[in-house]
Amino acid sequence: KQEVTQIPAALSVPEGENLVLNCSFTDSAIYNLQWFRQDPGKGLTSLLLIQSSQREQTSGRLNASLDKSSGRSTLYIAASQPGDSATYLCAVVGNAGNMLTFGGGTRLMVKP
Amino acid sequence: DTEVTQTPKHLVMGMTNKKSLKCEQHMGHRAMYWYKQKAKKPPELMFVYSYEKLSINESVPSRFSPECPNSSLLNLHLHALQPEDSALYLCASSPRTSGGAGDTQYFGPGTRLTVL
Repeated sequence: KQEVTQIPAALSVPEGENLVLNCSFTDSAIYNLQWFRQDPGKGLTSLLLIQSSQREQTSGRLNASLDKSSGRSTLYIAASQPGDSATYLCAVVGNAGNMLTFGGGTRLMVKP
Repeated sequence: DTEVTQTPKHLVMGMTNKKSLKCEQHMGHRAMYWYKQKAKKPPELMFVYSYEKLSINESVPSRFSPECPNSSLLNLHLHALQPEDSALYLCASSPRTSGGAGDTQYFGPGTRLTVL
């Protein structure tokens, strides 16, 4: 059974810092990996999707990498802003279908 | 239209009530999902509909009854719920049903359910 782990569980940084969020998964047989953002009490917003054949994806200040063989992904946020404060979730889709398996999330606080 | 909508936004119900949650998308997606999310936990998959047919039921209690009347609508009927069922219920949709490259899931804003 696929297990997804995110480290750290919580992170507090001053505004302007570059930061890295980590995601690891136990079964490397995946179709793709997604990073989501969730604001308190709200739904999920898809940030980046990395296909299993890709190594990274970029969108603005966000860069996500994927190392399928080692079961790891990172989300890099450049020049963090208070508006980046949210919970960041990674999720993988396994080869068995389109079921998302989520990690526990990283709660990010960016202080002005 | 590139969004998934959910109604109501908030719902408070007693343990003897019957209520329904509604989800709608007009993106032509053929897979729709229900997730349950407790506070400070990741979403947990409940049901998957593929081409309006139930394809996955993650051992959800029968007091939750999903329905997919057409390709754009997904309902979750609630009956005799327990206080521990209080959670954020999220609906999602995706273009294809077989997963694979580029098949992202789009989430609605959720319904905050409180069972008294």
